Amino acid sequence: GQQLNQSPQSMFIQEGEDVSMNCTSSSIFNTWLWYKQDPGEGPVLLIALYKAGELTSNGRLTAQFGITRKDSFLNISASIPSDVGIYFCAGHGSGNTGKLIFGQGTTLQVKP
Amino acid sequence: GAGVSQSPSNKVTEKGKDVELRCDPISGHTALYWYRQSLGQGLEFLIYFQGNSAPDKSGLPSDRFSAERTGGSVSTLTIQRTQQEDSAVYLCASRGAGELFFGEGSRLTVL
Repeated sequence: GQQLNQSPQSMFIQEGEDVSMNCTSSSIFNTWLWYKQDPGEGPVLLIALYKAGELTSNGRLTAQFGITRKDSFLNISASIPSDVGIYFCAGHGSGNTGKLIFGQGTTLQVKP
Repeated sequence: GAGVSQSPSNKVTEKGKDVELRCDPISGHTALYWYRQSLGQGLEFLIYFQGNSAPDKSGLPSDRFSAERTGGSVSTLTIQRTQQEDSAVYLCASRGAGELFFGEGSRLTVL
């Protein structure tokens, strides 16, 4: 089935640094989504991308839908301690737009 | 409530027992999803309901797992004859016109 490969698996950075993570797939996805999960909570949607090449920002977060429709990245600028958590990419595949597939997650730790 | 509600929040059971996990989606959302998240892992798709269509059960790991959605609203995920490897957080999400909104999950521990 369709799979998303997310990297890096984990990051440990200094407060104020910028962060970049990405997701790739061997198959085409029609949408790319980025979620954040805090401990003990369900994932919360950060950014949704619906068109190839689309670049969208949400505050300090910026994400892009790759032009090949097989990849996406998420950047966080000027990280702060509350950015700590697990970030997941997710996508609706071309064959079944209802089913949402998730990447393995990137665990972010920020040192004050 | 305004969000997706799941119960119980925590469940400890003995190996071999059956468990039921409940999900109350956001009112008016036609799509409902179940995912499983093992410790330190990503979200594993289990099943997806959309309106009155037949559910997509392609992610259910074995025939011990089943789910139903009554009246197009509340859903119950049932795990029969639980095994230790079933221990995980089971997350429910619902979707209306936009994207998925998740509940806080039900943490299942099988002893």
